[in-house]
Amino acid sequence: AQTVTQSQPEMSVQEAETVTLSCTYDTSESDYYLFWYKQPPSRQMILVIRQEAYKQQNATENRFSVNFQKAAKSFSLKISDSQLGDAAMYFCAYRPTNFGNEKLTFGTGTRLTIIP
Amino acid sequence: EPEVTQTPSHQVTQMGQEVILRCVPISNHLYFYWYRQILGQKVEFLVSFYNNEISEKSEIFDDQFSVERPDGSNFTLKIRSTKLEDSAMYFCASRLGKGSYEQYFGPGTRLTVT
Repeated sequence: AQTVTQSQPEMSVQEAETVTLSCTYDTSESDYYLFWYKQPPSRQMILVIRQEAYKQQNATENRFSVNFQKAAKSFSLKISDSQLGDAAMYFCAYRPTNFGNEKLTFGTGTRLTIIP
Repeated sequence: EPEVTQTPSHQVTQMGQEVILRCVPISNHLYFYWYRQILGQKVEFLVSFYNNEISEKSEIFDDQFSVERPDGSNFTLKIRSTKLEDSAMYFCASRLGKGSYEQYFGPGTRLTVT
């Protein structure tokens, strides 16, 4: 069974600084998707960034980028130029690629605080 | 921008009662999901639904649970006889279709079983 581990329950960063959130996963599959979701307080989860395992290039979305290390089964999220609106719970998630098996497996989350 | 909506935001019920949690997925989406998060624990997959039938379910999704798409807009999760351990946040999600990756989540319904 696939598992996703986020070892940092809480992180904090000074506004405008850079922070990296860690995620490791375990799977026997060779192809899969990895995601980072953001959940602001009392709001729904929204997708921040995704990575397809067959792609060697790390995904980037504006200030958000990932460091995907397939051999190490590591998928960290880097947030550059942190802003107050980045404060949220961040969840790492895994999904197989095969049709009919679409469930997301989540980590326990990292609560990110932005210090003004 | 279209959003997934869920009602109610908070439901309190007594043990043994039936509850129905309601979701309105994004209108042109074809795949629907329920997840739950017990306080302090991971978000866990319950069930996925496509073409009016369950496509996958977890071991949590036992005979006490059922899902339905009664009309063209709603997607419901029914718990027949609630237990204390069913207390959790329940999230609905929807996805556009084949080739789309993103599951769009609703804000959740907090279910409290007393």
